[in-house]
Amino acid sequence: AQSVAQPEDQVNVAEGNPLTVKCTYSVSGNPYLFWYVQYPNRGLQFLLKYITGDNLVKGSYGFEAEFNKSQTSFHLKKPSALVSDSALYFCAVRDGSQGNLIFGKGTKLSVKP
Amino acid sequence: DAGITQSPRHKVTETGTPVTLRCHQTENHRYMYWYRQDPGHGLRLIHYSYGVKDTDKGEVSDGYSVSRSKTEDFLLTLESATSSQTSVYFCAISESGGRVSNEQFFGPGTRLTVL
Repeated sequence: AQSVAQPEDQVNVAEGNPLTVKCTYSVSGNPYLFWYVQYPNRGLQFLLKYITGDNLVKGSYGFEAEFNKSQTSFHLKKPSALVSDSALYFCAVRDGSQGNLIFGKGTKLSVKP
Repeated sequence: DAGITQSPRHKVTETGTPVTLRCHQTENHRYMYWYRQDPGHGLRLIHYSYGVKDTDKGEVSDGYSVSRSKTEDFLLTLESATSSQTSVYFCAISESGGRVSNEQFFGPGTRLTVL
């Protein structure tokens, strides 16, 4: 069965520092991976996806993610964090032919001034 | 939120009462999904639809039913609400779920409290 794991419940970063939110996956076959962000009292917003091709995927709001097949990881990164990046981040993997997503439990990112 | 509305946005109900949540989209997307979000669990799929009158179960479907009589509307029904169904419910849509490249877009959510 497909699954993703987000090993950190919370990540704390100072504004201006680089940030990384970790995600590891377990799939049979090729992985199709996604990152979403959720701001308080809002729905999830799509950030980026990896389907195939370059291991470094660029997405919205300056975020990028690095796909690493040997480590089965898909970590979300940003070179310089903003206070407005503070939110809940979810990693997800596609499951099955109908496009269903399996989500990680989420990582709360807190960026302090 | 990508042309997706959910109603109601907040609801408080009592155990044993029926509840229906509505998801409405203006994107004409074929696939629609219902998830619930609970602390420590992330989002879990309840039911999904791959076309009008075509639905299937997700990971946590017990106690829920769905209906889709037209492309734009996807209804989630709790036949007899229980306290364990207190949660935030999200609807999502996808242009074509079977195509690997299509991401899902989410509505604003419905906060349901069952007393």
